[in-house]
Amino acid sequence: GAVVSQHPSWVICKSGTSVKIECRSLDFQATTMFWYRQFPKQSLMLMATSNEGSKATYEQGVEKDKFLINHASLTLSTLTVTSAHPEDSSFYICSVPGAGQGGDEQFFGPGTRLTVL
Amino acid sequence: SQKIEQNSEALNIQEGKTATLTCNYTNYSPAYLQWYRQDPGRGPVFLLLIRENEKEKRKERLKVTFDTTLKQSLFHITASQPADSATYLCALDPHGANNLFFGTGTRLTVIP
Repeated sequence: GAVVSQHPSWVICKSGTSVKIECRSLDFQATTMFWYRQFPKQSLMLMATSNEGSKATYEQGVEKDKFLINHASLTLSTLTVTSAHPEDSSFYICSVPGAGQGGDEQFFGPGTRLTVL
Repeated sequence: SQKIEQNSEALNIQEGKTATLTCNYTNYSPAYLQWYRQDPGRGPVFLLLIRENEKEKRKERLKVTFDTTLKQSLFHITASQPADSATYLCALDPHGANNLFFGTGTRLTVIP
């Protein structure tokens, strides 16, 4: 299966700053990657689908201008949290789908813990 | 509204017993249902996938059932071990497009 890494593993920033999180598929080319957010003691919430070479698709209620997604290559997607506020503090996780056409397992990164002061 | 509920937020069982976790969903017609394990501070790890035309799937000590009439999946871990202690998540792929929607999770603790 795919090996997925994320960088950084944790980040602390001041309110109003922007933070970039990287998601890399180390051994698998991914035209699609997914970004999730997980608040403490809650389940994962799908934020957006990152599409290589085109615009990301955002889930309802997710501000596309606040959570900028760039998928410039088949192995890298980035999520930038712009003008971060304390309510953006969360665990951000990316995933890469398997090679099938649909319904395959997903390979998740280890997550990035964002704390906004 | 669409919901995916895992009935027990937490489940404690004795080592060696079978753990049974429940996932119920409403207002979905998923083609697939998946189960993941998540350890604290880590990303989920895939365990099993079951399709709508499959009743049961097994993998080593794990078994998943899928009842599309009841809109329910059961996840069993037989001969449970303390190392099985984790949060288990069910996830639906409503459109077959790999967009996963997760349940609320059940935190399983296996007591030695």
